[in-house]
This record gives sequence, C-alpha cells and structure tokens, in this order.
Amino acid sequence: QSALTQPASVSGSPGQSITISCTGTSSDVGGYNYVSWYQQHPGKAPKLMIYDVSNRPSGVSNRFSGSKSGNTASLTISGLQAEDEADYYCSSYTSSSTQVFGGGTKLTVL
Amino acid sequence: EVQLVESGGGLVQPGGSLRLSCAASGFTFSSYWMSWVRQAPGKGLEWVANIKQDGSEKYYVDSVKGRFTISRDNAKNSLYLQMNSLRAEDTAVYYCARRYPLGCLDYWGQGTLVTVSS
Repeated sequence: QSALTQPASVSGSPGQSITISCTGTSSDVGGYNYVSWYQQHPGKAPKLMIYDVSNRPSGVSNRFSGSKSGNTASLTISGLQAEDEADYYCSSYTSSSTQVFGGGTKLTVL
Repeated sequence: EVQLVESGGGLVQPGGSLRLSCAASGFTFSSYWMSWVRQAPGKGLEWVANIKQDGSEKYYVDSVKGRFTISRDNAKNSLYLQMNSLRAEDTAVYYCARRYPLGCLDYWGQGTLVTVSS
C-alpha cells in the first residue's frame, strides 16, 4: 500500500497550462482505469475533479482534464486562474480492492 | 442535495478508543460503498477503510488493521468508524466519503478532528 508518486509542487502563471503527474504500479494506476483527482483548498474538504482517468463530474470546469499512459496518470489544468491555487491529489483503485492516494501536489498560481 | 456530516472527534489519550459517526442524507445510502479517509495535520490524504453496501465486505489500510472497524447502519443512514488502541500517529481530520463504484470518492463530509495525546 505505497502512496502514488506526485511532484511536491508545480507553478504557473495565469492563462498558462500545467500538468501534474501521478506514478504508481501495474497493481494500481497501470492496472485499472479508476484513477481520480481531487482539489483541496486550505481548511476545506477535498473535491472530486476527475474520475475514471478522464471524466469530469458535473459542474467541474472543462479546463481540467485527465489522462493515463502505463503506470502514470496526469492532470492538466489549462487557462490557469487564481482560484486554481490549491493542493491536488491523485488516487487509484488497487488490486487489493483498496484505494491509494498520491502524496499531493501544491499548485501555485504566480 | 448529498450531505455527509461527521461527528465524534475529540481529544483521546494514547491507547484509548473513539467512535466516529457519519450521517448521510440526500441519496440512497444503502446503494453505495462508503469510505473513511484521514489527513494528519499538514500532511496528505490517506485512505483508511471501505465498506460495501450491505456491510459484507470491508477493507482497511495496513496501519489500522486490527485496531479500527468500519460499520454501517442502513436503516439510520449512518456510517461508523470504531477506533481502538489509538496512537499519536492516528491524529488527523477524518473524512467520511461516498464511493462511486470502484475508485472515486464523489462526495465528502467536512471532517472531524481526532487528536491522540496525553
């Protein structure tokens, strides 16, 4: 049950695009199309942004997109806005019928 | 509107016990897997446990196996986490979340803080 690997921090200017990677193994990210991404602002509960690798829940901006290649999933945010500044976590279903999160990535909008 | 409201957190001594509750509303509780996720102060999210709709399957992160028990009462639309033999490293905000089939958590509560300290 090792955590998925994410960069500790990323940054970008308003209007730019950024990508956050999430690396696991064939027992989690690589083995299933059940990767999800969460946004968390300070002091708030996490919010689902992407599920099943690339699907957006109703109400989530289409500036957020997800993809996967092999054991690595990615979250891309285009047209960065100040309100996007937050922590982002990836998560995956695992072969043990459990769930695992990444360590989290702090996004700074410059 | 889906709502999940946790309660039961507080200060407990090492080795003590605590029972968290999560009251669900706005959806058919008995139709969904449910989960507990925790977040230690200044740290990332950690999945803790899942329970199937009828309670027949339960899964736990290794660090809480044998100490924590997840349960549910579908008649009361409630989810529980019984935490025994608590350790300092269990100090965290505990979130209740609804699990969309196989892997994502689509609704979260506001969390309840558990502090394990003497």
